[in-house]
Amino acid sequence: EPEVTQTPSHQVTQMGQEVILRCVPISNHLYFYWYRQILGQKVEFLVSFYNNEISEKSEIFDDQFSVERPDGSNFTLKIRSTKLEDSAMYFCASTGGGINQPQHFGDGTRLSIL
Amino acid sequence: AQSVTQLDSHVSVSEGTPVLLRCNYSSSYSPSLFWYVQHPNKGLQLLLKYTSAATLVKGINGFEAEFKKSETSFHLTKPSAHMSDAAEYFCAGRGSSASKIIFGSGTRLSIRP
Repeated sequence: EPEVTQTPSHQVTQMGQEVILRCVPISNHLYFYWYRQILGQKVEFLVSFYNNEISEKSEIFDDQFSVERPDGSNFTLKIRSTKLEDSAMYFCASTGGGINQPQHFGDGTRLSIL
Repeated sequence: AQSVTQLDSHVSVSEGTPVLLRCNYSSSYSPSLFWYVQHPNKGLQLLLKYTSAATLVKGINGFEAEFKKSETSFHLTKPSAHMSDAAEYFCAGRGSSASKIIFGSGTRLSIRP
């Protein structure tokens, strides 16, 4: 069964540094998402992306965040200048978009900011 | 506004006994509802989904959930718990077909031998 893949599985970065989290969604999917889960808390929506543009973003997704689909397969989340509170598990998801199609999630990238 | 509430942060059952994880939703329109499971250091795996085709939904690993509109509930059940069921379970909802998913706060399921 096709799956969403995320790299790296764990990223350790100094505060203030830029970080790029990478995702390869399922190949025929059209909608892409990033979520995050701070340790011990619920999964929170960050941003959705369709047709090469952001379709919705949460208040968490401020100017420090950006997303990009640089080619036909990758979907990246960039944090420009990381803060301690950005430490979390980041999940990528994708869906074909039909009413009966759920979002499929990757295994996540654990981001640790020092 | 749409929200999903999981009523129990932690549920502990004995192996072989039934499991009930509770979830209530609020939505101004007919939602799609999901249960996801997260094992330690792993991603979110879809257990089952409700999309208005049938109110009783069967999922993987023997889990099922019943959509009750009158009670705005979507509780997850399993007749007989197995040790491998120990994990975090998330109820989630979505308004339109491609919109964001709203997650509940999660229920940690522990299984006693």
